[in-house]
Amino acid sequence: EPEVTQTPSHQVTQMGQEVILRCVPISNHLYFYWYRQILGQKVEFLVSFYNNEISEKSEIFDDQFSVERPDGSNFTLKIRSTKLEDSAMYFCASSGDPETLNTGELFFGEGSRLTVL
Amino acid sequence: AQSVTQLGSHVSVSEGALVLLRCNYSSSVPPYLFWYVQYPNQGLQLLLKYTTGATLVKGINGFEAEFKKSETSFHLTKPSAHMSDAAEYFCAVSVTAGNKLTFGGGTRVLVKP
Repeated sequence: EPEVTQTPSHQVTQMGQEVILRCVPISNHLYFYWYRQILGQKVEFLVSFYNNEISEKSEIFDDQFSVERPDGSNFTLKIRSTKLEDSAMYFCASSGDPETLNTGELFFGEGSRLTVL
Repeated sequence: AQSVTQLGSHVSVSEGALVLLRCNYSSSVPPYLFWYVQYPNQGLQLLLKYTTGATLVKGINGFEAEFKKSETSFHLTKPSAHMSDAAEYFCAVSVTAGNKLTFGGGTRVLVKP
């Protein structure tokens, strides 16, 4: 069964360093998303991406964050200068294949845990 | 804008007992509603979804949920809890396909033997 894959599963970085989290969405999906979950808290929307541009972003997604779809398969989240409060699990999701397009269902990856020291 | 409220951040049930997780939503348009489950150190897995049609929706692992428009609710139930149901459960709402999901705060379920 097709699935969303994310790398790395866990990354430890120093405050102020740049981090890139990578995602391979399901191949025929059209919409791509990043969410984050700080330990013990709710799953929060960061950004959605469609037709090679950001379609919506939350107030969390400030100038330190960027997303890119550099080729036909990868979808990346970059944090330019990490802060302690960026420590969280980051989930990539995709949606929009012809069968589930009308249901709004998102398919999530296993997540990338980011620890900022 | 849509929002989701899950009553109770933690629920403890005995094995074999009814599981009831409450979810209320607000949306200015007819919503799409979802329940996702997250097992420890894993991602989010879809349990069930409501888009249109029958208001009682059956999902995986014996769970079901009923959409009640008048109460703006989408409560999740399972008649008989199993130890493997221990996880965190998230209710989510979307307003259209391709739109973001907005999640509730989650309810962590503990199943006692």
